[in-house]
Amino acid sequence: AAGVIQSPRHLIKEKRETATLKCYPIPRHDTVYWYQQGPGQDPQFLISFYEKMQSDKGSIPDRFSAQQFSDYHSELNMSSLELGDSALYFCASSPSLDRDSDGYTFGSGTRLTVV
Amino acid sequence: AQKVTQAQTEISVVEKEDVTLDCVYETRDTTYYLFWYKQPPSGELVFLIRRNSFDEQNEISGRYSWNFQKSTSSFNFTITASQVVDSAVYFCALFLIQGAQKLVFGQGTRLTINP
Repeated sequence: AAGVIQSPRHLIKEKRETATLKCYPIPRHDTVYWYQQGPGQDPQFLISFYEKMQSDKGSIPDRFSAQQFSDYHSELNMSSLELGDSALYFCASSPSLDRDSDGYTFGSGTRLTVV
Repeated sequence: AQKVTQAQTEISVVEKEDVTLDCVYETRDTTYYLFWYKQPPSGELVFLIRRNSFDEQNEISGRYSWNFQKSTSSFNFTITASQVVDSAVYFCALFLIQGAQKLVFGQGTRLTINP
């Protein structure tokens, strides 16, 4: 079965550079979520999109922005990178949860290292 | 506010022992989902189970079982006859159906199964 695809899997950037992370949801999933997981931490919600509109916003820095495109894929743009941005970034997708589903499905994550 | 507490930071057992991972959650909402995820050393988040707040039936899937008790706001996870491959970090998470559409994770429990 198709899963959530994230690219790239690994990314190394220098401080003050910009990074773009991509997420391709499961077909027919209309909602995309982004999470950040720092070393030894639990995943923290950043932002979500439903039908290409931002639906919820968490603790996402102003340096970060995201959008969902007409084909439902999403991109997380991160500018002026800091060492503290080094983390695993997960994307998840779901259909509306009031329908029967297997719930959130996470991608394999993008490991961002800022040096 | 919503909160998930996994009081056990680390658990270490010998293979074939049974082990229970505790999860306690806080929410004022009456409608929500509870999840368990497994995060092996490779880093991906593997979906294990989703439970609706209205469904307090316990569930068994092979060596895994879950005990949901709404009266104590707990959703504990038991692995029977543990195996080395069960070694991972396990996260319990809460999803509110009304309001912010996001997963709130517990701090995670690092489970080590020793041969």
